[in-house]
Amino acid sequence: NAGVTQTPKFQVLKTGQSMTLQCAQDMNHEYMSWYRQDPGMGLRLIHYSVGAGITDQGEVPNGYNVSRSTTEDFPLRLLSAAPSQTSVYFCASSYSRLQGQKRTQYFGPGTRLLVL
Amino acid sequence: AQSVTQPDIHITVSEGASLELRCNYSYGATPYLFWYVQSPGQGLQLLLKYFSGDTLVQGIKGFEAEFKRSQSSFNLRKPSVHWSDAAEYFCAVNDYKLSFGAGTTVTVRA
Repeated sequence: NAGVTQTPKFQVLKTGQSMTLQCAQDMNHEYMSWYRQDPGMGLRLIHYSVGAGITDQGEVPNGYNVSRSTTEDFPLRLLSAAPSQTSVYFCASSYSRLQGQKRTQYFGPGTRLLVL
Repeated sequence: AQSVTQPDIHITVSEGASLELRCNYSYGATPYLFWYVQSPGQGLQLLLKYFSGDTLVQGIKGFEAEFKRSQSSFNLRKPSVHWSDAAEYFCAVNDYKLSFGAGTTVTVRA
């Protein structure tokens, strides 16, 4: 049981380049989400998904796309990277249909992205 | 809309002293509340959580938190801090979407 995994751990991009941040979980969680972390701002929700085929926008979705074709995977795509997207990105997952304790979100180790 | 405020950006505490981190939330119903800890360069680790029931919640690493509905607070405490507790601490409130506070950085001096 690997939990939530993210790749790559670190990436440097030039402005305008595209890339996909990978996220996978092996806990059969319905809910998956992407956050970005910036100094002094905590974590902000980018996109989330409550199940395969269903995605929705969070607080800061502009410049990012997501899809959810399987329960396990939730990739985050940057179509044209900008310096403002330099950040640390975290993926998280949890059960969503059950109440209470099982809604706890588990986080991946993060991806550090630098856009020049 | 839900939101979380952590009033203290940075706290310095001596090793062995007590620690209290403040968290205030805004949420229309009974909240699910969490404290996470992040060591430098690491991901987020869940310290403890409150869903219902006993308002004093025990977590890992000797931490506890108390939910006070009347004050909309969920403050984190530890009676005696260790050098390894130096980290950034985040309070969060959850519906389906987790809303985080800006975080409190804890420095532990010898």
